Amino acid sequence: EPEVTQTPSHQVTQMGQEVILRCVPISNHLYFYWYRQILGQKVEFLVSFYNNEISEKSEIFDDQFSVERPDGSNFTLKIRSTKLEDSAMYFCATSTASTEAFFGQGTRLTVV
Amino acid sequence: AQTVTQSQPEMSVQEAETVTLSCTYDTSESDYYLFWYKQPPSRQMILVIRQEAYKQQNATENRFSVNFQKAAKSFSLKISDSQLGDAAMYFCAYWEYGNKLVFGAGTILRVKS
Repeated sequence: EPEVTQTPSHQVTQMGQEVILRCVPISNHLYFYWYRQILGQKVEFLVSFYNNEISEKSEIFDDQFSVERPDGSNFTLKIRSTKLEDSAMYFCATSTASTEAFFGQGTRLTVV
Repeated sequence: AQTVTQSQPEMSVQEAETVTLSCTYDTSESDYYLFWYKQPPSRQMILVIRQEAYKQQNATENRFSVNFQKAAKSFSLKISDSQLGDAAMYFCAYWEYGNKLVFGAGTILRVKS
């Protein structure tokens, strides 16, 4: 069964450092999403990406965040200068126009 | 904007008993999908069941079934014969074609042996 793959599974980083979270979507999926879940809280939408551009973003997705598809396959989320409050589980999800989103296993980001 | 509300932060059920988790949503659309996701301690998001809004028949998946009331914008999940492995956080979610999933706040389900 096709699946969305996220790497790394766990990332520990120093405050102020840049991190890149990676996602390999299901091959025929064209819509890509990043969600964030702070421990014990709800799943929050960050950004959606279609046709090589951001189609929607939330208030959380400020100038510290960026997304891209650098090689046409991977979909990445970059946080330029991490803060303690960026510690969370980050989920990548991908879909077609007519299916729901399929989630990756998540990347647990810990900022120390 | 669409919203999803789960009014039960936490629920408990005895093993082998039945429990119902509540979810309401707000939308002006007529064509959409609703989902229940399970999130165990591993924090993986596992799709439990999906319901297309145009279908009147309630979806079922083994011990999991939904009560979909479109006019009332209600979408509850019933878990029958509860098992210890059902203990998790459960999220209700709303989706329209080509748009993002909108999640509720979640309900923690505890299963007592």
